Amino acid sequence: AQSVTQLGSHVSVSEGALVLLRCNYSSSVPPYLFWYVQYPNQGLQLLLKYTSAATLVKGINGFEAEFKKSETSFHLTKPSAHMSDAAEYFCAVSWSSGAGSYQLTFGKGTKLSVIP
Amino acid sequence: EAGVVQSPRYKIIEKKQPVAFWCNPISGHNTLYWYRQNLGQGPELLIRYENEEAVDDSQLPKDRFSAERLKGVDSTLKIQPAELGDSAVYLCASSRGLATDTQYFGPGTRLTVL
Repeated sequence: AQSVTQLGSHVSVSEGALVLLRCNYSSSVPPYLFWYVQYPNQGLQLLLKYTSAATLVKGINGFEAEFKKSETSFHLTKPSAHMSDAAEYFCAVSWSSGAGSYQLTFGKGTKLSVIP
Repeated sequence: EAGVVQSPRYKIIEKKQPVAFWCNPISGHNTLYWYRQNLGQGPELLIRYENEEAVDDSQLPKDRFSAERLKGVDSTLKIQPAELGDSAVYLCASSRGLATDTQYFGPGTRLTVL
C-alpha cells in the first residue's frame, strides 16, 4: 500500500501571496500523483495530475505542482492567491491493488484560507 | 457531459435505522467507487466496482454495509442498521479505471446519525 502525508492541516495566506501546499508520498514504484480541490458541500474536483511525463505539471486555476523523486514530494503552488482559492486540497497517490486494478489513497487534506 | 449524480444530498436518521445512497456514474465509465469521508479527513475507499463486479471491498464493513451495481451502471450503497459512527459524507466516483485516469466525484451524501 502507498501513503500520502500532507503537512499542515490548515494554511492561511493573504490575497495575492504565494500558495504552497505540501505533499509527500511513499511508494515502492513510480507513482501517479493527483491534487484535488473540494469546496464546501461539494465533491472533489481534479486540479492536476502527474503521470510520469513532465515533472512540472500545470493545472486549472493557475495551480501547478512539481514532482521531485529525490524528495518524494509533489507540492502544490500558485503564485498569487485569490479569494476563490479558499477550499480544502487533497493530495492522492494511485497504486495497483493487483490484477490491473488501481485505487487512490488520499492525504488528510489541507484547508486553505485566503485573507483579504 | 453530465457528471456523477448522487442522491440524496443530505440524510438524517436515527441510529439502528436503515439508509441507502444512490449513484449514477458518468456514461461510459466502467469503474465505480464508493468512498467515506469523515470530518477533517480525506476520502477512504469502501468498495470499487469494475462493471458489475466488486473487485475490492476489503474496507467495507460487511456486517452492516452492502452495495450493488446492477447492469454495471447505477449503484446503491446501503447501511443497515446505522450506527452513530457512520455519520460522514459518502462520495461516489467513476473513472475508466486506468492508473492515470481521473476519478470524477459526485457531490456526496452527508449522513447524520442521531
